Amino acid sequence: AQSVAQPEDQVNVAEGNPLTVKCTYSVSGNPYLFWYVQYPNRGLQFLLKYITGDNLVKGSYGFEAEFNKSQTSFHLKKPSALVSDSALYFCAVRDDGVTGGGNKLTFGTGTQLKVEL
Amino acid sequence: EAGVVQSPRYKIIEKKQPVAFWCNPISGHNTLYWYLQNLGQGPELLIRYENEEAVDDSQLPKDRFSAERLKGVDSTLKIQPAELGDSAVYLCASSLGAAPYNEQFFGPGTRLTVL
Repeated sequence: AQSVAQPEDQVNVAEGNPLTVKCTYSVSGNPYLFWYVQYPNRGLQFLLKYITGDNLVKGSYGFEAEFNKSQTSFHLKKPSALVSDSALYFCAVRDDGVTGGGNKLTFGTGTQLKVEL
Repeated sequence: EAGVVQSPRYKIIEKKQPVAFWCNPISGHNTLYWYLQNLGQGPELLIRYENEEAVDDSQLPKDRFSAERLKGVDSTLKIQPAELGDSAVYLCASSLGAAPYNEQFFGPGTRLTVL
């Protein structure tokens, strides 16, 4: 069964500093990896995804993520955090549908990012 | 482009009552998903439609939950009867196609409180 681990319930960072939100995954076939952000009382917003190719993926609002196959990780990063980045971030994985892994999007438990002045 | 629309946004009912949630996906998106999100957790898939066909309902508690997508566009999720443990946020999402690399676009959700 596929799974996603977000080891940090909360990440605190000062505005202007770089941020990293960690994610590791387990999947039977080739992974498709996604990051979503959720603001209070709102649905999830898509940030970026990894399908194949370049391990560094750039997404919305200055976010990027680095795919590391050997470490089965897909950490979210931003060079300079903003207070407005404070939100709940979800990592998700879906297998390629070929290897019988269920072909559904599996989410982590989320990491609350708090950016302070 | 309009996003995924859900209604109602909030619903409070007493246990054993029925409740229904409605979703209108992004125009042209033929794949539609219903998710359940408990507090402090990530969304969990309940059912996935491709056009009007439910292609994955393995996580849907069929004794009390039902869903339909009659014309392959709008969808309704129903709970009858509701239990206290059904209190959660119900999210609808859609994607352009069924390919696993397509990102899903989520609606704002319906927050259900069962008293």
